[in-house]
Amino acid sequence: NAGVTQTPKFQVLKTGQSMTLQCAQDMNHNSMYWYRQDPGMGLRLIYYSASEGTTDKGEVPNGYNVSRLNKREFSLRLESAAPSQTSVYFCASSEWAGLVREQFFGPGTRLTVL
Amino acid sequence: RKEVEQDPGPFNVPEGATVAFNCTYSNSASQSFFWYRQDCRKEPKLLMSVYSSGNEDGRFTAQLNRASQYISLLIRDSKLSDSATYLCVVNDANDYKLSFGAGTTVTVRA
Repeated sequence: NAGVTQTPKFQVLKTGQSMTLQCAQDMNHNSMYWYRQDPGMGLRLIYYSASEGTTDKGEVPNGYNVSRLNKREFSLRLESAAPSQTSVYFCASSEWAGLVREQFFGPGTRLTVL
Repeated sequence: RKEVEQDPGPFNVPEGATVAFNCTYSNSASQSFFWYRQDCRKEPKLLMSVYSSGNEDGRFTAQLNRASQYISLLIRDSKLSDSATYLCVVNDANDYKLSFGAGTTVTVRA
């Protein structure tokens, strides 16, 4: 099993450009998440999808949109990139049964916005 | 106030030493607790869940103190390979979201 996969691994954008980060999981998990990680800040939740067909804002949703394409795939879109969005982005998935079970993370996308 | 707070360290210890560190959480309704490990420039991975009675996994011992709202991680007989950042993670009942601490960095030296 591949677990959680993310593409691309690295990306450099200019301010104002748009891009979509892709994420897929093959563990049949219901819930999927997008985080960003900045030095000294820890992981901050951008958006999550509790189950197919639903999405909700996390702690830092401004400047981002998401799509839960199907049970496997959850994409994150930056419509107009800003330097403040330079970060490492992690996608994660988990099963949920009243409590979150283990979250599995993808390898991350390292994004630089110039 | 952050939901989950950790001493960032770094904790710099020799091989074979014992190192321990805590994490405090602010929500008394929190129900699930975890320690994740993150290597440099890699994704976080589950190290262990933390149970009410405390639990061990090899050289790693986790404790939960609900009254004081903290969890702890103790690493015995430290190995070079234990060098990493350890993330404290908390989940509230009926909440899909996890709250992550910023991490405690441990460096084990030869």
